[in-house]
Amino acid sequence: AQKITQTQPGMFVQEKEAVTLDCTYDTSDQSYGLFWYKQPSSGEMIFLIYQGSYDEQNATEGRYSLNFQKARKSANLVISASQLGDSAMYFCAMREPGKGGKLIFGQGTELSVKP
Amino acid sequence: EAGVAQSPRYKIIEKRQSVAFWCNPISGHATLYWYQQILGQGPKLLIQFQNNGVVDDSQLPKDRFSAERLKGVDSTLKIQPAKLEDSAVYLCASSLVLALQETQYFGPGTRLLVL
Repeated sequence: AQKITQTQPGMFVQEKEAVTLDCTYDTSDQSYGLFWYKQPSSGEMIFLIYQGSYDEQNATEGRYSLNFQKARKSANLVISASQLGDSAMYFCAMREPGKGGKLIFGQGTELSVKP
Repeated sequence: EAGVAQSPRYKIIEKRQSVAFWCNPISGHATLYWYQQILGQGPKLLIQFQNNGVVDDSQLPKDRFSAERLKGVDSTLKIQPAKLEDSAVYLCASSLVLALQETQYFGPGTRLLVL
């Protein structure tokens, strides 16, 4: 069964606008961690933001925020004030305890920022 | 602080040949991961080391793939013999400890093309 689902293969956003990238997950664990990574065309995965399942507040890191809805099992990434340099692939990932620490990734969403 | 280093960045080989990739994690990071990222997909864990011991190699095709992490620092991943479906980006990542919220830092990856 797909653990992480990213339903938007590609997204466009106008520069300086906000954009939401969707992520839903599936787990029977109560404790888990959710991550978002950015992958530019250079190939390196860049960590953006982390949300723990027991965190009461939504995580924020600069222009990035995570809209965490635990009951819906969704962890959407919100990028505010988009910049041209935000054009990249974005991956949602989950880590479950007791599973050795590996990250399970979604298929990714390609974001294109238009000037 | 230096990031995760990988070499080579690109490799083109013919099927049935062998190839090796090298990874040097961030200094002091005990946990090292090798992921395979096929075009259009998210990364998938191949093997995970904690110091120089294997934590998870359940998805490593052991008939052709091997990996080692001598002295608990740098690591090599080998494919012998390569198949066409091994064409992918091989990403190395490291983290300081094995914990739910611990960030994994990725290297630039090695792009492998098998002809």
